[in-house]
Amino acid sequence: DAGVIQSPRHEVTEMGQEVTLRCKPISGHDYLFWYRQTMMRGLELLIYFNNNVPIDDSGMPEDRFSAKMPNASFSTLKIQPSEPRDSAVYFCASKLGGVSYEQYFGPGTRLTVT
Amino acid sequence: DQQVKQNSPSLSVQEGRISILNCDYTNSMFDYFLWYKKYPAEGPTFLISISSIKDKNEDGRFTVFLNKSAKHLSLHIVPSQPGDSAVYFCAASLYNNNDMRFGAGTRLTVKP
Repeated sequence: DAGVIQSPRHEVTEMGQEVTLRCKPISGHDYLFWYRQTMMRGLELLIYFNNNVPIDDSGMPEDRFSAKMPNASFSTLKIQPSEPRDSAVYFCASKLGGVSYEQYFGPGTRLTVT
Repeated sequence: DQQVKQNSPSLSVQEGRISILNCDYTNSMFDYFLWYKKYPAEGPTFLISISSIKDKNEDGRFTVFLNKSAKHLSLHIVPSQPGDSAVYFCAASLYNNNDMRFGAGTRLTVKP
């Protein structure tokens, strides 16, 4: 398996623009997670899905952030409008259901908002 | 709220010596703990884990120790190798809960 795939790897955009980050989880995994990594706060869970259904979005910082998972092999995280403080590395991770705790992370998308 | 804390942002050790990375948590209900390793420009990868019913788990050069009364866990790497240089994240989870909490990470540098 190719692992978790994220695109783009780098995104530079201007304040106010819409940004869409994409993720393809590992085939067969039931859960998908979106994280944000910053120097100040480390790795923060933003939202996670189980079988394509959003379960917990309490980590989503503001209404400017939204996430969707239209099918088992694709998810998006959208920021509209983007702000400089959104600059961070965004990771997608997936895992099997059941009692497995281990999450498999993608390489991340480095977002810079100027 | 930072339920999982890694108070040392960085650690430097000599090749061949022991590396000890520390992690503290505040929620006594956490029942499963993991360590992830992250290289630059890559996502974190799972390294080793421990259940709250144990106090030690060993995998080759890596050992994780759990002290539930102190709400503290540590990762020991013996002997340390230059290839171990990376950022190490501590993570904790409630039983059968997918909301995993991560620490801020510790950057380990192993000098040849």
